[in-house]
Amino acid sequence: SQQGEEDPQALSIQEGENATMNCSYKTSINNLQWYRQNSGRGLVHLILIRSNEREKHSGRLRVTLDTSKKSSSLLITASRAADTASYFCATDAGANNLFFGTGTRLTVIP
Amino acid sequence: GAVVSQHPSRVICKSGTSVKIECRSLDFQATTMFWYRQFPKQSLMLMATSNEGSKATYEQGVEKDKFLINHASLTLSTLTVTSAHPEDSSFYICSASEEWGTDTQYFGPGTRLTVL
Repeated sequence: SQQGEEDPQALSIQEGENATMNCSYKTSINNLQWYRQNSGRGLVHLILIRSNEREKHSGRLRVTLDTSKKSSSLLITASRAADTASYFCATDAGANNLFFGTGTRLTVIP
Repeated sequence: GAVVSQHPSRVICKSGTSVKIECRSLDFQATTMFWYRQFPKQSLMLMATSNEGSKATYEQGVEKDKFLINHASLTLSTLTVTSAHPEDSSFYICSASEEWGTDTQYFGPGTRLTVL
């Protein structure tokens, strides 16, 4: 029951660089959410973008949504070693059923 | 790929009753399972982390006596909502990972609980 697909599956960058992760989905959605997961821990909600929104910012995070292409991107600017984690997108297609992708593993090298 | 199932997918109960939700990993052994709840139009909220054979670790603000979690085997974790009230109505979703410390989680389809 996972319909989101993240790209790339793994990303390794130097500290200070920007990290971009993409998410594609298949059906119409009410909103799309990005989550972060540190190793061995549960998910932490980062940001929610609604279907009528195109871009949203939160601190060093920038999320875009293109409903015509059924895709979203998460940009982390000026990355830090502490940003090392897995990032998941989840789509809410209504009835509050969330569908998660398999995630992007981000490694930020100090 | 790995599959996680939840049962039931939807349950309606009367206030004061207890409801058990099962989360099963169908083709792998899940050392760790996570339980989340989601209120309408809100994000997922982690409730607890469940490790096979040990007590669950609850997040701050989650009542352990209200939400009983049992992870008795490597393929099954259960969440029991005790003495349910209408405010417990929510969408409950579990996820499972094969090994502690790995980041790949597999999510169940969720359970919609409605307490009348």
